[in-house]
Amino acid sequence: AQSVTQPDIHITVSEGASLELRCNYSYGATPYLFWYVQSPGQGLQLLLKYFSGDTLVQGIKGFEAEFKRSQSSFNLRKPSVHWSDAAEYFCAVVDAGGTSYGKLTFGQGTILTVHP
Amino acid sequence: DGGITQSPKYLFRKEGQNVTLSCEQNLNHDAMYWYRQDPGQGLRLIYYSQIVNDFQKGDIAEGYSVSREKKESFPLTVTSAQKNPTAFYLCATGGASNYGYTFGSGTRLTVV
Repeated sequence: AQSVTQPDIHITVSEGASLELRCNYSYGATPYLFWYVQSPGQGLQLLLKYFSGDTLVQGIKGFEAEFKRSQSSFNLRKPSVHWSDAAEYFCAVVDAGGTSYGKLTFGQGTILTVHP
Repeated sequence: DGGITQSPKYLFRKEGQNVTLSCEQNLNHDAMYWYRQDPGQGLRLIYYSQIVNDFQKGDIAEGYSVSREKKESFPLTVTSAQKNPTAFYLCATGGASNYGYTFGSGTRLTVV
C-alpha cells in the first residue's frame, strides 16, 4: 500500500527566510503527488500537483516542489516566507492505477510557524 | 460559482445519537470522498464513491455510513457505533486528473 511520510511535525522559520518541507512517499510506480495547505478550522487548498513531465512544479503563493524519483521525494520550497504562510501543510499521493485509483493518501502534516 | 459545500460547520452529538453531515458539489465530478482529520494524524479516508449508487469503504469505515443517491450529494452519517467521533470531517470531490481534488471547508463534530 502507498504511504506518505512528512518527517517534520513542526517547523519554525523567520519571515523572509527560505523554506523547505520534506515529503517522502512509498509506492512502486509513478504516483500523482500533491501539496495542500490548511489554515486552522478550514478546508484544504491545493498548492501544486505533479502528474508527469517537468519534475519541478510551480504552484500558487510562490511555492514550488521537485519530484525526485531516485529519492522518492516531493519536497516543497519557498525562497522567502511571509507571515501569512503560517499554516499546516500536507503532502498527498494517489495511486495512478489499480484498485486504489482516485484515493488520496496523506502524510501526517507539518505545522509551519513564522516569526516576525 | 462552482464548488463543494459542507454543512453544518459545527455539530454536537449526544452519546448514542446518529448525526448526518452534508456534502454537496456543483462541479459535476463523479467521485466524492469523506476524510476524518485528527491532530497529528493527517487525513484518513472513511468512504468514497466513484459513481452514483455505488460507494466503497475506506481505511476507517467502522461506525460510519454513506449514501450516493445523486451525483451532487454524498452525506455521511456518524452512527452510535462510532465510539470516538469527535474530529474534523472533510468532504472532497475530483480525482487524479488535471482538475485534481477540491475540498469542502469541513464540519467539526463534538460529542457532548
